[in-house]
Amino acid sequence: EAQVTQNPRYLITVTGKKLTVTCSQNMNHEYMSWYRQDPGLGLRQIYYSMNVEVTDKGDVPEGYKVSRKEKRNFPLILESPSPNQTSLYFCASSLEIPSRANVLTFGAGSRLTVL
Amino acid sequence: GENVEQHPSTLSVQEGDSAVIKCTYSDSASNYFPWYKQELGKRPQLIIDIRSNVGEKKDQRIAVTLNKTAKHFSLHITETQPEDSAVYFCAAPVPGGSQGNLIFGKGTKLSVKP
Repeated sequence: EAQVTQNPRYLITVTGKKLTVTCSQNMNHEYMSWYRQDPGLGLRQIYYSMNVEVTDKGDVPEGYKVSRKEKRNFPLILESPSPNQTSLYFCASSLEIPSRANVLTFGAGSRLTVL
Repeated sequence: GENVEQHPSTLSVQEGDSAVIKCTYSDSASNYFPWYKQELGKRPQLIIDIRSNVGEKKDQRIAVTLNKTAKHFSLHITETQPEDSAVYFCAAPVPGGSQGNLIFGKGTKLSVKP
């Protein structure tokens, strides 16, 4: 089944404890992206990647890191999480850049709570 | 940068009525406008999209219209049903050909009352 898989789905952690949210897609998509969803703010882009070894900042990159060493994986790294990073995170992928009518396929989401 | 304004933020309708959600964008060069639906506790999924070379597109009970002059596009849902209850997001391309990203509106929570 074609899908985007995120792990963990739920995580409660403490301030400053490094964590990684994994994202993997099995559709051979070139484009991958991370979004955070907060009430009243919609979906805001954190980082995106147009292809292997190519990553760039989105609208809200502060406090996050990403890597794209393989085409299928795009992990989101929080080096020192803070409470303002408590949010619902979505990974998404598309065949090519989404602005050219390529459909974004979203993962199931990862709900992160930072105490 | 590109701003996508989406209205209303919440919408409540009776089952069988129509619902309309409107989005405005700022870049006249934008040429692709998708709509995503997010049911409670689920992931966003594309329901319909439109390119700038057409003014309207329909798929059963849903339709999207585009007014390039006014730089707005709208989602129309007719004969609403309880399963239409969800948050709907519009999106538009971020200006700048090399990026290729979409910017999303803040969402509209649609409630369809039986």
